[in-house]
Amino acid sequence: GQSLEQPSEVTAVEGAIVQINCTYQTSGFYGLSWYQQHDGGAPTFLSYNALDGLEETGRFSSFLSRSDSYGYLLLQELQMKDSASYFCAVIGGYQKVTFGIGTKLQVIP
Amino acid sequence: DVKVTQSSRYLVKRTGEKVFLECVQDMDHENMFWYRQDPGLGLRLIYFSYDVKMKEKGDIPEGYSVSREKKERFSLILESASTNQTSMYLCASKGSSYNSPLHFGNGTRLTVT
Repeated sequence: GQSLEQPSEVTAVEGAIVQINCTYQTSGFYGLSWYQQHDGGAPTFLSYNALDGLEETGRFSSFLSRSDSYGYLLLQELQMKDSASYFCAVIGGYQKVTFGIGTKLQVIP
Repeated sequence: DVKVTQSSRYLVKRTGEKVFLECVQDMDHENMFWYRQDPGLGLRLIYFSYDVKMKEKGDIPEGYSVSREKKERFSLILESASTNQTSMYLCASKGSSYNSPLHFGNGTRLTVT
């Protein structure tokens, strides 16, 4: 099966940088994704990593180390609108997508 | 834009009732998923389907079944609803590439009384 671990809550200051870590255990691995969910909304896709290294998309970057079964989401120049829950998700065989419990990010002024 | 439509935003059912949650996607995606979301537990996978008439159990399939007779439609069935199935249910679809993102519907808030 698959299991993922990520912190339940993180607080950071507007304009700062925050890193949300994710470790996973899986029997089949095709990639690690990140999703953002604002209160009352549906999750939306942020990034996908299949190979080791850093992927950058604007203020957001995502990193993967397959040998360590570890990844992180890096948010730079934090804005108030970044306050949301962030989920890491493993893509396994037959396209099975398993999510972590989510990290609630609070951005404070 | 991909659209995933769930038939109801809010639903109230009684214990023991048979409940159908419907989900339709308009992007010809092979893969469809049902999750439930509860505070502190994240999104837990109930069932998923990688092709018409194909279904796979997720991590919490007990008390649920699914149907996928057409590519665009994926139904979640609660055979005999119980109060512990009160939750937010999210449907999603995904293209055939591993890097294709999940596209979620707006969710159905089910309350079982």
